[in-house]
Amino acid sequence: DSGVTQTPKHLITATGQRVTLRCSPRSGDLSVYWYQQSLDQGLQFLIQYYNGEERAKGNILERFSAQQFPDLHSELNLSSLELGDSALYFCASSANPSTDTQYFGPGTRLTVL
Amino acid sequence: ILNVEQSPQSLHVQEGDSTNFTCSFPSSNFYALHWYRWETAKSPEALFVMTLNGDEKKKGRISATLNTKEGYSYLYIKGSQPEDSATYLCAHLGGANNLFFGTGTRLTVIP
Repeated sequence: DSGVTQTPKHLITATGQRVTLRCSPRSGDLSVYWYQQSLDQGLQFLIQYYNGEERAKGNILERFSAQQFPDLHSELNLSSLELGDSALYFCASSANPSTDTQYFGPGTRLTVL
Repeated sequence: ILNVEQSPQSLHVQEGDSTNFTCSFPSSNFYALHWYRWETAKSPEALFVMTLNGDEKKKGRISATLNTKEGYSYLYIKGSQPEDSATYLCAHLGGANNLFFGTGTRLTVIP
């Protein structure tokens, strides 16, 4: 158990809908990262927050957004969902950004029908 | 090298054999190199974070080396056991705090 929690574990929804994925980092970790793992693809970095502020952006679509709240939990919002958004979404946290070890949550499996 | 590349893509070894695989990454703008172990149906688990050229890290039977000048890292597993079967991912931290992952080496240890 990494100490990072993600909810829900599974999510099934329809195209065009909007969903919110939630992540609680390890106690004391200030950085939160979001990753997407689609079928046959490696982990794709989406976005990083540090202490409430966006710090780095990767291959995140405009239909996706995220935020980190004062209690350090983070939410990833996915809107106007398409079939291709079906993937495993991981959240990770670390004490400090950049070189610190990242601890991964169990992931949320999103299925868009 | 523009991206993170890992080789081989997959590997089968007999229990007790030692093995190693490679991660290649852009040698410019280097901040850190991460290794993760990812078992099926679980989340990636951190093995090492390496930052210095020539760094060597060890965790039990697993060790890793780093060459930042030529842009590669090796992961070694000594005396492979069936429980070592997993996908081993490396990730390069370059500028802009983005961590770029390779597609992994899938190791299967045959009892």
